[in-house]
Amino acid sequence: LAKTTQPISMDSYEGQEVNITCSHNNIATNDYITWYQQFPSQGPRFIIQGYKTKVTNEVASLFIPADRKSSTLSLPRVSLSDTAVYYCLVGAKGNTPLVFGKGTRLSVIA
Amino acid sequence: GAVVSQHPSRVICKSGTSVKIECRSLDFQATTMFWYRQFPKQSLMLMATSNEGSKATYEQGVEKDKFLINHASLTLSTLTVTSAHPEDSSFYICSARPWGDSYEQYFGPGTRLTVT
Repeated sequence: LAKTTQPISMDSYEGQEVNITCSHNNIATNDYITWYQQFPSQGPRFIIQGYKTKVTNEVASLFIPADRKSSTLSLPRVSLSDTAVYYCLVGAKGNTPLVFGKGTRLSVIA
Repeated sequence: GAVVSQHPSRVICKSGTSVKIECRSLDFQATTMFWYRQFPKQSLMLMATSNEGSKATYEQGVEKDKFLINHASLTLSTLTVTSAHPEDSSFYICSARPWGDSYEQYFGPGTRLTVT
């Protein structure tokens, strides 16, 4: 299972764009990259998923370089409610579970 | 979107008793469900993979006789913590992967277990 490495924590002011980069040097050909958000005492919530290049949805963008050894989650104009732990995971289809790394604790300051 | 529920959301039990936690996929069928445990300020730790109709696969260090997993249908998996002790107090989270060829994994809201 590919291991991921992320910064332990990040701070940002409200209204700023936040970019969280994740390293996954051993990603396999069949692996997708998925990002989750978790608030205290809640289950992880899906944010975005991608395989290569760029993916955008209503809450975030995901940038994946050609070698796929890293990915960057971009949160535009964060608010206080975006304070949470963000996890980057890589995994394939089928019975393979998602294995969580330590995640990045994002603190948004007013 | 796909929804996974857990019941109960919170439970307090006495040391030595057993507790059952249910995980249900509400609007999809899941051949595979996963159970995680999370201690305060830590990441989720995978405990076991549960496949419908077969025995669960436990991660190294997880006692299968203590954490009994049953996946009796395509929408229900249960985790029973037997002879619970205070060190079993934790946040238990299940997730489910839809039947078929899917990368997506949906997580439940979690169950807070406190053993006194």
